[in-house]
Amino acid sequence: KNEVEQSPQNLTAQEGEFITINCSYSVGISALHWLQQHPGGGIVSLFMLSSGKKKHGRLIATINIQEKHSSLHITASHPRDSAVYICAVNTGANSKLTFGKGITLSVRP
Amino acid sequence: DVKVTQSSRYLVKRTGEKVFLECVQDMDHENMFWYRQDPGLGLRLIYFSYDVKMKEKGDIPEGYSVSREKKERFSLILESASTNQTSMYLCASSITGLDTQYFGPGTRLTVL
Repeated sequence: KNEVEQSPQNLTAQEGEFITINCSYSVGISALHWLQQHPGGGIVSLFMLSSGKKKHGRLIATINIQEKHSSLHITASHPRDSAVYICAVNTGANSKLTFGKGITLSVRP
Repeated sequence: DVKVTQSSRYLVKRTGEKVFLECVQDMDHENMFWYRQDPGLGLRLIYFSYDVKMKEKGDIPEGYSVSREKKERFSLILESASTNQTSMYLCASSITGLDTQYFGPGTRLTVL
């Protein structure tokens, strides 16, 4: 069974700071997803990646398959980035996801 | 844009009642999913469906059943609601296989 661990559990940052959120998993995967959930809101998919790096606006996601590790970076953080960030992995050919417990990010103005 | 809608944002039911949660997607997606989300436990898969009338159990199917009679609609049924089924329920859909999943807004169910 694949375990997905996220760190740190909670994170507080000052507006403008560079933020890194980490995700580690225990077995081989076919894809990794980063999701965002605002308080009281639905879940939005930020990235799906299986190798290398992806960038969208101020967000960058990287994955190291050999080390079974992914990072989500937020540059020039803003209070609107405050949300729960969830890492999830596909471990087979089907579409089932295994989720981490999520990290609560709070960006202070 | 993909739209996934759920029948209710908030629902209050009594123990023993039969509860129906409905999910509709408008993008002809093959796969649909039902999750529950609880503090400290994260998202857990209840059931998923990869085609009309097809279903597979997820990690926590006990106490739940599902129905997918039409491609766009996936229903979650609590046959006899219990207080431990109080939770946030989220529906999602994806085109196929390993694609991005699109989530609905969630239904916060309280069972008294």
